[in-house]
Amino acid sequence: NAGVTQTPKFRILKIGQSMTLQCTQDMNHNYMYWYRQDPGMGLKLIYYSVGAGITDKGEVPNGYNVSRSTTEDFPLRLELAAPSQTSVYFCGTAGTLVAYNEQFFGPGTRLTVL
Amino acid sequence: RKEVEQDPGPFNVPEGATVAFNCTYSNSASQSFFWYRQDCRKEPKLLMSVYSSGNEDGRFTAQLNRASQYISLLIRDSKLSDSATYLCVVNRGNNNDMRFGAGTRLTVKP
Repeated sequence: NAGVTQTPKFRILKIGQSMTLQCTQDMNHNYMYWYRQDPGMGLKLIYYSVGAGITDKGEVPNGYNVSRSTTEDFPLRLELAAPSQTSVYFCGTAGTLVAYNEQFFGPGTRLTVL
Repeated sequence: RKEVEQDPGPFNVPEGATVAFNCTYSNSASQSFFWYRQDCRKEPKLLMSVYSSGNEDGRFTAQLNRASQYISLLIRDSKLSDSATYLCVVNRGNNNDMRFGAGTRLTVKP
């Protein structure tokens, strides 16, 4: 089992460009999450999903969009990249409510916006 | 004030030392608490959950003080492989909103 996979590993964008960060899991988990981690900081929740077709905003959703058409995939979309979105992005999954269970993370996508 | 605050570190300790990390949280409605470990340029991984009565897993002991809104992690007999950043994670309620501390970096030296 691959667990949680993220693509790409690295990306450099110009201001105003758009891109989609991919996240796929084969753990059959209903709960999926997107976080960003800025240097020297903790992770901040961008969006989350409790199942296919259901998404909700986290702490820092501005500038991002998500969709959840299948259990396995939870892509994160940046429409108009800005330097403030330079960060490491982690996708996470959990089998049940993350408040009481372990969260598993993908290896991350390092994004630089110039 | 950050919702979850940790000792900034870094902590540099010799092998075999005992080291303790502290974490405070500001939201009194927080329901569950965790310590995650993050190696350099890697994803976080769960180290241990923190229970009200305190809990131990080998060389690691976690304590929770709800009245003081304080969590601690004690590592005994430090190993070189314990070198990492330790993240304090707090759930804000019975939901999916997890708040992460900025982490405390530990380096264990021979």
